[in-house]
Amino acid sequence: DVKVTQSSRYLVKRTGEKVFLECVQDMDHENMFWYRQDPGLGLRLIYFSYDVKMKEKGDIPEGYSVSREKKERFSLILESASTNQTSMYLCASSFPQNTDTQYFGPGTRLTVL
Amino acid sequence: QKEVEQDPGPLSVPEGAIVSLNCTYSNSAFQYFMWYRQYSRKGPELLMYTYSSGNKEDGRFTAQVDKSSKYISLFIRDSQPSDSATYLCAMSERSGNTGKLIFGQGTTLQVKP
Repeated sequence: DVKVTQSSRYLVKRTGEKVFLECVQDMDHENMFWYRQDPGLGLRLIYFSYDVKMKEKGDIPEGYSVSREKKERFSLILESASTNQTSMYLCASSFPQNTDTQYFGPGTRLTVL
Repeated sequence: QKEVEQDPGPLSVPEGAIVSLNCTYSNSAFQYFMWYRQYSRKGPELLMYTYSSGNKEDGRFTAQVDKSSKYISLFIRDSQPSDSATYLCAMSERSGNTGKLIFGQGTTLQVKP
């Protein structure tokens, strides 16, 4: 079974804190993605990576950065958390030839106070 | 106007009903169409995948694409309580690394026993 795991299910942080969200996949996928999911807005792509140390901005990269030092691990970093970053964060992975079939982790619900 | 519009519901039906879930889109370049299902407290998982116009059937599920109307549908026959979930449509212009999924807002479905 494909498995994408995320480091935390629930996270509460304070405004201004630096936040790390970790994602690990065990399918040897080249592509990895970070989305946020908000009511009424669906999933929006923050960043994606198609190889180690490679990254591309998605639709809403402002306020976020990413790190991919190993193929199986993709980290999302909130340099200085703000209340408008309170959301559900979903990580996904896929093979490069089939980015339409993405495998998602269970999500991290982040609350920024 | 959003690129992909989906009625968020919630939609509540009795067990055994036929369910119709729909999305409209504005980008005529979309060629790949997907339906993802998301159970509560889980990440989305791919349910149906269709290329271009036409129908695709898989058990109780039928995906339909009408590119001339920019309209896609997911039909669920003989709906079951286990079908209760949020259904997200997604689409892309091309597959592979240059493709990017655009998601609808998701429709929450509840099937009552």
